[in-house]
Amino acid sequence: EVQLLESGGGLVQPGGSLRLSCAASGFTFDTYAMSWVRQAPGKGLEWVSSISGPGGSTYYADSVKGRFTISRDNSKNTLYLQMNSLRAEDTAVYHCAKSSSSSPNWFDPWGQGSLVTVSS
Amino acid sequence: DIVMTQSPDSLAVSLGERATITCKSSQSVLYRSNNRNYLAWYQQKPGQPPKLLIYWASTRESGVPDRFSGSGSGTDFTLTISSLQAEDVAFYYCQQYFNTQYTFGQGTILEIK
Repeated sequence: EVQLLESGGGLVQPGGSLRLSCAASGFTFDTYAMSWVRQAPGKGLEWVSSISGPGGSTYYADSVKGRFTISRDNSKNTLYLQMNSLRAEDTAVYHCAKSSSSSPNWFDPWGQGSLVTVSS
Repeated sequence: DIVMTQSPDSLAVSLGERATITCKSSQSVLYRSNNRNYLAWYQQKPGQPPKLLIYWASTRESGVPDRFSGSGSGTDFTLTISSLQAEDVAFYYCQQYFNTQYTFGQGTILEIK
């Protein structure tokens, strides 16, 4: 069974940094693209970033480009999201999700998510 | 970016009746070389992460009840629940994966009338 477990969320001040992790199990991690999708409180889904299976290609939403960095450690079956220069509008539950190929496509399954709150 | 627009924003349907949600993309998500529509549908219940229902616009994910179906091509798509059950109360989202700025519709909340 595929399992995705996010960690690293919390309260951070505007302008601060945070690193999210997503521990994956139940599948051959380095074969599949992985992504981060966020959901602000009471709002819809917003794609944040994706990384190809081997990790050679990364993709970012315009809203986070230049501030967030996605990466993966295939030896540890772990996905990361380094978030810098955080803003109040980055407050959300951040889900990691698996795609069905080495390139991103649909997202399945999703982790339960990690809450990031940006506030002074 | 491709903008995905769902309608309606909210929908109330009686148990056993048909529910229909539409999703329109600002540009075609049909890839001519393989004749596939790069469109997925998700269901999200309160307190849970989204669950994949449909991909390639009409392929039902394994384990999804056959009362859920997807249709459409190009820019216009539909998610249909043929006979609404109480457990189908949820938010529903469409998502395009045609280009690498992946975008979701704003969501539709489906309730029981």
